[in-house]
Amino acid sequence: KQEVTQIPAALSVPEGENLVLNCSFTDSAIYNLQWFRQDPGKGLTSLLLIQSSQREQTSGRLNASLDKSSGRSTLYIAASQPGDSATYLCAVDPSGNDYKLSFGAGTTVTVRA
Amino acid sequence: GAGVSQSPSNKVTEKGKDVELRCDPISGHTALYWYRQSLGQGLEFLIYFQGNSAPDKSGLPSDRFSAERTGGSVSTLTIQRTQQEDSAVYLCASSFGPFETQYFGPGTRLLVL
Repeated sequence: KQEVTQIPAALSVPEGENLVLNCSFTDSAIYNLQWFRQDPGKGLTSLLLIQSSQREQTSGRLNASLDKSSGRSTLYIAASQPGDSATYLCAVDPSGNDYKLSFGAGTTVTVRA
Repeated sequence: GAGVSQSPSNKVTEKGKDVELRCDPISGHTALYWYRQSLGQGLEFLIYFQGNSAPDKSGLPSDRFSAERTGGSVSTLTIQRTQQEDSAVYLCASSFGPFETQYFGPGTRLLVL
């Protein structure tokens, strides 16, 4: 069974600092990995999706890397802003015969103004 | 519609009552998923629909849970004889196909007293 772990569980940084969020998974046979953002009382917003054949994806201040062999993904958020405060979830899509996403418990980020 | 919608947004019920949760997927999306997010836990998969068929019900926690989808569109998740441990956020997602990016709705927050 795929286990997805996110460390740390919570993170508080001053505005302007770069954020590094970690995600690890136990089974490297994945189809893709996705990072989501969840604001309090809201649903999930997809940030980045990395296919298993890719090493990284970038969108604006966000960059996500994927190392399948070591079972790790890292989400970098450059020059953090208070509006980046949210819970960030990573989800692994197992190999192509399965479509169920396996989620980590999330990292709750607070960016202090 | 523009995105996945869910209703109600919040539901408070008494233990033992039945509840119905509704999901309207993005128009044209053939795949639909239900997940549950319990307090302090990650999201867990409940059920997947392809069209009106549910090839995978493996995530439903007990026979009190059931779901249906009609017309390849709207889905209803029903919980019978609710228990306090059913309290959670129930999230619905849809995708163009089974291995495509999943788009999530805002969720229904269920509280069983």
